[in-house]
Amino acid sequence: GQNIDQPTEMTATEGAIVQINCTYQTSGFNGLFWYQQHAGEAPTFLSYNVLDGLEEKGRFSSFLSRSKGYSYLLLKELQMKDSASYLCAVFSNSGYALNFGKGTSLLVTP
Amino acid sequence: DSGVTQTPKHLITATGQRVTLRCSPRSGDLSVYWYQQSLDQGLQFLIQYYNGEERAKGNILERFSAQQFPDLHSELNLSSLELGDSALYFCASCTGGLGDTEAFFGQGTRLTVV
Repeated sequence: GQNIDQPTEMTATEGAIVQINCTYQTSGFNGLFWYQQHAGEAPTFLSYNVLDGLEEKGRFSSFLSRSKGYSYLLLKELQMKDSASYLCAVFSNSGYALNFGKGTSLLVTP
Repeated sequence: DSGVTQTPKHLITATGQRVTLRCSPRSGDLSVYWYQQSLDQGLQFLIQYYNGEERAKGNILERFSAQQFPDLHSELNLSSLELGDSALYFCASCTGGLGDTEAFFGQGTRLTVV
């Protein structure tokens, strides 16, 4: 099975930087994904890491350490529209399943 | 628009009934995932199909079943519905090969059991 843990809620200020952490335990690791989901809407893809290190994509960056079973999503220059749930998901090649954590609800305040 | 189509968008039905949710994957994608998302739960993986064959199974109840047809669309059948089955049901598609970098989600079907 898989355990994927992330904080339930976070609050940050507009214009600031926030880091959302994700830890996981899995066999046959084959990639970690971050998705953004606004309430009642479909999750949308943000980033993918399969090798250790940092992937940068505009205001969003994602980091992976496979040996530690750890990832984080970094959001810079926060905007009000970034208020959403951020989902960490792990692809296990041994099971072919893409399993999601419960998500971190981020609230951006003025 | 992700290219993944789910129908219907909304469904209201009574306990004990049976419903079918439909998903058309993106053109060229062979793999379809089904997820259930309740109000206080994350995305719960139900089942995955690849090119017509079941490839992975998650926490799917015995009252639920799915299939993927030769044209690659998929259906999720929910029977003997209970109030607790009320949720958003998402399907996602990807190419299905090793090294997939993204699964694309449909807009979901909101099921309400009354």
